[in-house]
Amino acid sequence: ETGVTQTPRHLVMGMTNKKSLKCEQHLGHNAMYWYKQSAKKPLELMFVYNFKEQTENNSVPSRFSPECPNSSHLFLHLHTLQPEDSALYLCASSQDYGGPVYGYTFGSGTRLTVV
Amino acid sequence: DQQVKQNSPSLSVQEGRISILNCDYTNSMFDYFLWYKKYPAEGPTFLISISSIKDKNEDGRFTVFLNKSAKHLSLHIVPSQPGDSAVYFCAASLPMNSGYSTLTFGKGTMLLVSP
Repeated sequence: ETGVTQTPRHLVMGMTNKKSLKCEQHLGHNAMYWYKQSAKKPLELMFVYNFKEQTENNSVPSRFSPECPNSSHLFLHLHTLQPEDSALYLCASSQDYGGPVYGYTFGSGTRLTVV
Repeated sequence: DQQVKQNSPSLSVQEGRISILNCDYTNSMFDYFLWYKKYPAEGPTFLISISSIKDKNEDGRFTVFLNKSAKHLSLHIVPSQPGDSAVYFCAASLPMNSGYSTLTFGKGTMLLVSP
C-alpha cells in the first residue's frame, strides 16, 4: 500500500472516552504532521515530527497527545475532549529537499465528532 | 491574524472558461507557495507550487502567478473542466527548518465548474 493512510475514517466519542487516531505512511518521508480542519477555518497545524522527534507543538491542549514510534507511524491520542474539538483531523507527510516543492501528502482524514 | 487569505469562499465557472482563484498573504518571509485541491471525503492533494524567486509556474492547464510586491498569488485553470470542481487551498511555507517545512493554509475557495 502506498500513500498516507488514516484510521478510522469516522469516530464518534463521548467527552469522557479515550481514543486514538492512527496515521501510516509508506513513502519514506522524514516528516509527519497533524492538522485540524474545523468548519469555515483554515487548516491548523497541531504537531510536527521530523525523524520521529517532535519539533513543533502549536499550542495544542494537552487533551491531544501525539506519539511517533517510528518515521512511518503517527498517532494522536485523545482524552476528555470537548464538543468544539469535533473536526476533520488530517495527517500528512513530506520529504523536503531544498524546499517544499512537492508539498505534503495528506491522508483522507478522520472525521471526529465529540458528543 | 490570518497570514494567508482566500477572500472568495466560492467561485462558479462554465466549462471551457478560465477559473482564477486568488490568495493574499501578509508574511514577506514566506518562500514557497502551494495550491492544494480537495474533494469531499478526501484529503487535500498537491496541485502546483511556486518559489518566491519566480513569478510564474505552469503545469498543463494550471498556472500559478506570484506578485511579491502585492503579496498576491493566483491560480489559473484553463480550460476549466467539471472534474475541477473542488475546494482549492492556498498554502505558504517559511524557509525550511532542518529538513521539514510547515505550511500555513488559507480557508479555501470552492470552485464549481458547470457543463
